[in-house]
Amino acid sequence: AQKITQTQPGMFVQEKEAVTLDCTYDTSDPSYGLFWYKQPSSGEMIFLIYQGSYDQQNATEGRYSLNFQKARKSANLVISASQLGDSAMYFCAMREGLAGYGGGTSYGKLTFGQGTILTVHP
Amino acid sequence: DADVTQTPRNRITKTGKRIMLECSQTKGHDRMYWYRQDPGLGLRLIYYSFDVKDINKGEISDGYSVSRQAQAKFSLSLESAIPNQTALYFCATSGSYQQDTQYFGPGTRLTVL
Repeated sequence: AQKITQTQPGMFVQEKEAVTLDCTYDTSDPSYGLFWYKQPSSGEMIFLIYQGSYDQQNATEGRYSLNFQKARKSANLVISASQLGDSAMYFCAMREGLAGYGGGTSYGKLTFGQGTILTVHP
Repeated sequence: DADVTQTPRNRITKTGKRIMLECSQTKGHDRMYWYRQDPGLGLRLIYYSFDVKDINKGEISDGYSVSRQAQAKFSLSLESAIPNQTALYFCATSGSYQQDTQYFGPGTRLTVL
């Protein structure tokens, strides 16, 4: 079964508007972390935001926020006030296990979704 | 200077050749990883290392080997390259603390003819 699912192959948004990129995950481990990465056309992988499974608040980093709905196993990325430079591929990823939980070790391995290509129109 | 560097950045090689991709980091992280990216498949883990003496296979390790020469260096080898190993290869590092965010190198684009 897919551990990370990104159902939107492509998304379009108008500059200055907000956009939500969907991500659902599947795990039986109570301790996990969820990550979003951005991959521009130049190819590098840029870390955006992190949400731990025990975090009480939704994560925010500048214009990025993570809409974490634990019961639904979803971790959607919200980008506010889109900019042309936000056009890129976006990946959701999950790491099962957290350092300090579940026996005190972090498994470390990331499982990635297939990505969503975001295009921002002027 | 970049915290995670990969060499070479681009490589074209022929079927059957041995090739090594190198990764160095100045972040002081214990953990290092090698991933490959194929179109439509996201990134998949090849090998990972939690310290110099700890190396583990990922989900697609067949056809690859690794060497952790030092805390800061982690190399990926293709002993006998084949065309379906044509991909974008990423090295990543993380610290062994709770969030454990992985930081990626710029990638190596490998083409096997």
